[in-house]
Amino acid sequence: KNQVEQSPQSLIILEGKNCTLQCNYTVSPFSNLRWYKQDTGRGPVSLTIMTFSENTKSNGRYTATLDADTKQSSLHITASQLSDSASYICVVSDRGSTLGRLYFGRGTQLTVWP
Amino acid sequence: EADIYQTPRYLVIGTGKKITLECSQTMGHDKMYWYQQDPGMELHLIHYSYGVNSTEKGDLSSESTVSRIRTEHFPLTLESARPSHTSQYLCASSGPAHEDQETQYFGPGTRLLVL
Repeated sequence: KNQVEQSPQSLIILEGKNCTLQCNYTVSPFSNLRWYKQDTGRGPVSLTIMTFSENTKSNGRYTATLDADTKQSSLHITASQLSDSASYICVVSDRGSTLGRLYFGRGTQLTVWP
Repeated sequence: EADIYQTPRYLVIGTGKKITLECSQTMGHDKMYWYQQDPGMELHLIHYSYGVNSTEKGDLSSESTVSRIRTEHFPLTLESARPSHTSQYLCASSGPAHEDQETQYFGPGTRLLVL
């Protein structure tokens, strides 16, 4: 069964600290993996996308890694800011063509305290 | 920020009423999607469209219907709302594969409460 599991379910950190969010998937065949940020009451916004051959991708203070062999990804947030408080969703696509579908994780709810 | 809009943002309505959730995008995207999301849960695809006059049901069974008469417009309709329809509804669109690998751009969502 194709699944995307994220951990932790929720996380509280202090402003300025780093954190790492985890995503494990069983989706096959694998096409790409995306991390989205969803602010409360808003729609998700894409942060990074990685294909099978990519191990790491950065977007400012966000760095995503991918290990396609172990089917694991992580999102590392450096020097957290209050605006980083949001839900971070891991999304895996099983094919890159029009027929590909997306598998969504339940997200990690991150809260950054001052 | 993506140019995709949803109205209303919030809707409280009584059981049995007919409702239409609006979704419009100005990016010229052919592909559009409707997702349902409950608090703390993953997004579930309920409808999608690959272009004008093309609509398909998604993975999650839904009593809603959609139409795609114009490229930029993808409304979702519930003929008779029930409390079980209470949820957040997210609309998204995506461009061709050669443009940012079909990243889906989401609207702000409609929070629906059926009493």
